[in-house]
Amino acid sequence: QVQLMQSGAEVKKPGASVKVSCKASGFTFTGYYIHWVRQAPGQGLEWMGWIKPDSGGTNYVQKFQGRVTMTSDTSISTAYMDLTGLRSDDTAVYYCARDRGWGVWGQGTMVTVSS
Amino acid sequence: QAVVTQEPSLTVSPGGTVTLTCGSSTGAVTSGHYPYWFQQKPGQAPRTLIYDTSNKQSWTPARFSGSLLGGKAALTLSGAQPEDEADYYCFLAYGGGRNWVFGGGTKLTVV
Repeated sequence: QVQLMQSGAEVKKPGASVKVSCKASGFTFTGYYIHWVRQAPGQGLEWMGWIKPDSGGTNYVQKFQGRVTMTSDTSISTAYMDLTGLRSDDTAVYYCARDRGWGVWGQGTMVTVSS
Repeated sequence: QAVVTQEPSLTVSPGGTVTLTCGSSTGAVTSGHYPYWFQQKPGQAPRTLIYDTSNKQSWTPARFSGSLLGGKAALTLSGAQPEDEADYYCFLAYGGGRNWVFGGGTKLTVV
């Protein structure tokens, strides 16, 4: 079954970091780009960037430059999104998704930033 | 960064037809923006309806279609059903797909 399975919900304090994982199954992980998208409560979708697992190449939205790092471990078909310097406005559901049709999405990971 | 614009809200009657549009601050939307349309219902992850302007996923109902219309990407729903009530997001590529931008979303009400 083709799917992306994400790690569970996180609660973090302001200034902390969070690392969300996204495990692929049912398809060739290195054959696709993995994108990360977030959605704050009651708000729209926001594209964050992508990683190309076979090369490790990345591209991030300028807004997140310096705070986000996307990595992958091809041995376990897993992508990661690391966000540092968390603020309350980083509270959101974070999704990973596979490119080329964007037909496969993770279930989402709720990250709550609160003191 | 480019700004992608959508109607904030639209209403359609059951069985009716409605067109959602998607514009770009950089100019006309073309096939080179690889327009996508996503549907999202409350509490669910987004689901792709249309990719690359007009291609449908296997699960996309036949009543949805994508096109380019007057310099914008368009999603047309013909024969609206109550279950089509949802948020719809346009998504455009820039720089040959290096960067992507979501529209603000259209809340579609079927009533």
